[in-house]
Amino acid sequence: AQRVTQPEKLLSVFKGAPVELKCNYSYSGSPELFWYVQYSRQRLQLLLRHISRESIKGFTADLNKGETSFHLKKPFAQEEDSAMYYCALGEGSNYKLTFGKGTLLTVNP
Amino acid sequence: EPEVTQTPSHQVTQMGQEVILRCVPISNHLYFYWYRQILGQKVEFLVSFYNNEISEKSEIFDDQFSVERPDGSNFTLKIRSTKLEDSAMYFCASSRLGAPPDTQYFGPGTRLTVL
Repeated sequence: AQRVTQPEKLLSVFKGAPVELKCNYSYSGSPELFWYVQYSRQRLQLLLRHISRESIKGFTADLNKGETSFHLKKPFAQEEDSAMYYCALGEGSNYKLTFGKGTLLTVNP
Repeated sequence: EPEVTQTPSHQVTQMGQEVILRCVPISNHLYFYWYRQILGQKVEFLVSFYNNEISEKSEIFDDQFSVERPDGSNFTLKIRSTKLEDSAMYFCASSRLGAPPDTQYFGPGTRLTVL
C-alpha cells in the first residue's frame, strides 16, 4: 500500500503565482513528515520538516492529521523554485524515509 | 559545510559481476542509509545501519546485497551478482541521530548501469 502519495507528477505555474504541492500519507502512528527538494543536477536536500514548523525559502507545510495531508505551499513562486519535490514519511526506529513519487515543479517567467 | 560523498559517480558493469559502491558519510553522524531510485520511479529505502550492524532492511535488500563500514569513514554497498534490474541511482545518506528523526543528508548518488 502506498504510504506517501503525491498525486501530481508535473506542476507548472507562472512566476509570482501561488503554488501548492500535494502530499497525502497513510500511517497509523504519529507521522514524521519531510519535504525534500532536488534541483537540477544537485543532490536531494531537506527543504523542511513538520516537526520544526519553520518556513524555508518561503515554503511552508502544515500537517493535517484529519486529512492525512502535508501539502507544501508558497504564496509567490520564483523561477529558482523549479525543481523536483519529494514528500517523505519517516518510519521505524531509525526513521527510514518512505518517499512519494515526486512532483516536478516548473515556474515559468 | 560537510557533505556526504559517493564514488564512483557512474559505474557500468556486466550482469553477474560484483560491484561496490562507496560512501563517506558526514564525520560525526551515526546512522547510515542506502536508497535507490530506478529511472522514472520513486526513491526507495534499501537499508539502515547503526552501531556496526544493519538496523533495518527492505524486501529489496536480499542476499545479493551487503553493507559494511570497513573503517571509521567509509560505508559501502556491495551487490554480489548484479542483475539488469539493479540498474538505478543509488543514494547514500547519513544522520546524526535516528530518533527523534534527524535530518538525513544525501550524497550525490552513484548511477549503476548493468549491461
